[in-house]
Parts: sequence; C-alpha cells; structure tokens
Amino acid sequence: DVKVTQSSRYLVKRTGEKVFLECVQDMDHENMFWYRQDPGLGLRLIYFSYDVKMKEKGDIPEGYSVSREKKERFSLILESASTNQTSMYLCASSLTGQVAYEQYFGPGTRLTVT
Amino acid sequence: AQKVTQAQTEISVVEKEDVTLDCVYETRDTTYYLFWYKQPPSGELVFLIRRNSFDEQNEISGRYSWNFQKSTSSFNFTITASQVVDSAVYFCALRLGGTGGYQKVTFGTGTKLQVIP
Repeated sequence: DVKVTQSSRYLVKRTGEKVFLECVQDMDHENMFWYRQDPGLGLRLIYFSYDVKMKEKGDIPEGYSVSREKKERFSLILESASTNQTSMYLCASSLTGQVAYEQYFGPGTRLTVT
Repeated sequence: AQKVTQAQTEISVVEKEDVTLDCVYETRDTTYYLFWYKQPPSGELVFLIRRNSFDEQNEISGRYSWNFQKSTSSFNFTITASQVVDSAVYFCALRLGGTGGYQKVTFGTGTKLQVIP
C-alpha cells in the first residue's frame, strides 16, 4: 500500500520561528511536491523536486525553502514564520515518465502561526 | 496559460440523489491530462481518474462516471445514487503533456459535496 506521511497533523508556531515540515514517501517516487491549500484558492504549488538535491520553484515560493537530501524525504522550511503562512500544507509524490502519473498525497499539516 | 474552473463551491444533496460536479478547463495545448481527486474530511487527497486529451471516451466506475467533452472543454463527474461516504471536497486538475522538464499540474478550487442522510 502506497504511503506518504507528514510529520505533524497540527502545528502551532509563533511569528518569526523557523518551521520544518517533513514528508516521507515509501514508493520510490522521483517527484515530490509541496502544496498549500487555502479556502477558495484550491491547491497552490510551493516547490517541486524531481530528484535528490534538485528543486524547482512553484507558484508561491516566497517565504519558503525546501530540502531533499534523500529520495524518500522532502522537507519544507519556513525561515521566519508569518501569520499569512497559516494554512494547510500538503505533500505529494509521483512517478516520472512519458505518462502524466497521478500524485499521491499525505494527510496534510495544518499550520497555525500566531 | 492553463486554468481549471470549478464553478460550484458547495453542493448539498439528499442521499440517493444523483449529482454532477462540473469542471471546465482552458489550455492551448493539444496534449494534456485531466484528473479528479477526492479529499475526504481526513484531509488526504485520493486519486480517482486520469484522462488524456486523445481519449474522449466516457468512463464509468461503479457509481462514478466521467463525461469528457473537448468541444466544451469540460470534464464533468457524476455520482449516481449518492451516499454519505461521498461527502468530500472534489478537485479537478489539468496537466499538460510533454516530457521536457516539469509539467505543472493546475488544480481547480474544489467543490465541497455534502450528502445528507
């Protein structure tokens, strides 16, 4: 059974703190993604990684960075959390290839920045 | 630029009713893929279906069916005889074809379906 896990379901942080969100997949997928989900806005891509140590900016990378040191793990970092980063964060992974493979999602981390 | 529109923000139906979730997309590319995902209250999006732009054949899977019409740029999703377990947010998504580099997936804003017992 395929699995994407995220380190926390709920997280509360203070403004200015450095925040780490961890994502692990056990499917040997090349691609990993971080999305942010807000009401009325759907899913917006923050960063994408297609290989170890490789990353690409998505639609809203400002205020975020990522790290992929191992194939199965993709971390999202908020260098200095702000209240407008309060949101649901979703990690996903997929195969790569000629076909557009579906993405497998984790359960999400609901982050509140106070 | 690519775009996905799910005009229905929220829909409520009584159990056993049929319901159709609309999805309209925009792209200038001729090769693309369309997806539907379900997000139950637990939060984890679950893949339902993928369609490529060269396959307009409608698909049925149990109580679920999908109607892909390139002429109207729509990929609608119908649930027949809805059940309470169908209550979720449903997302339509579009990805362009091609293998060069990353092909972005654009998600719609989602339709929240509530099935009332």
